[in-house]
Amino acid sequence: GAVVSQHPSRVICKSGTSVKIECRSLDFQATTMFWYRQFPKKSLMLMATSNEGSKATYEQGVEKDKFLINHASLTLSTLTVTSAHPEDSSFYICSAPSITGKNYGYTFGSGTRLTVV
Amino acid sequence: RKEVEQDPGPFNVPEGATVAFNCTYSNSASQSFFWYRQDCRKEPKLLMSVYSSGNEDGRFTAQLNRASQYISLLIRDSKLSDSATYLCVVNGGNSGYALNFGKGTSLLVTP
Repeated sequence: GAVVSQHPSRVICKSGTSVKIECRSLDFQATTMFWYRQFPKKSLMLMATSNEGSKATYEQGVEKDKFLINHASLTLSTLTVTSAHPEDSSFYICSAPSITGKNYGYTFGSGTRLTVV
Repeated sequence: RKEVEQDPGPFNVPEGATVAFNCTYSNSASQSFFWYRQDCRKEPKLLMSVYSSGNEDGRFTAQLNRASQYISLLIRDSKLSDSATYLCVVNGGNSGYALNFGKGTSLLVTP
């Protein structure tokens, strides 16, 4: 079935540094990638939608200059958290619409747990 | 009002019990409905899609009532391995076909 590979799975960084998270679709083309964030005991919240070859669409309240999204190819979307602060510590996860057989669904990456110290 | 609302629980049930989760969604334009399962510190995994005609998969039954904007999940003969957080998920509406997640209902099945 469709697989989205997300890396890194866990990262600890210092305040002020930048962290890049990659999501690769391994056996299908992901023209769209959704980026979510989940704080402890909270629901996954959509941050932005990236589309291959065009600018990402950000949800209200998400700073596009802080969370840089690049979707330069049909198999790779990246999220860069710039100048990270402790309040950016969260679980970041990507998801792409995919078709497996007759089923249309969403394939998730395994998530990245970011801790900013 | 949140787009997708669930009772957060936790639900603590003994093995073999039947447990039901409920969910409501606010956007009548929503088009697709799912139940996902999320284990602690892991990504969500699709449990089942939810159709107006109802959907059954083994011990799991999901139902949708579009008129009431209500979704349910029934788990029969609970197993220890069913312990997880169950997420009610809706797409369509304001976010296009991005998924909108409920906060999740926590289930703990005990021996």
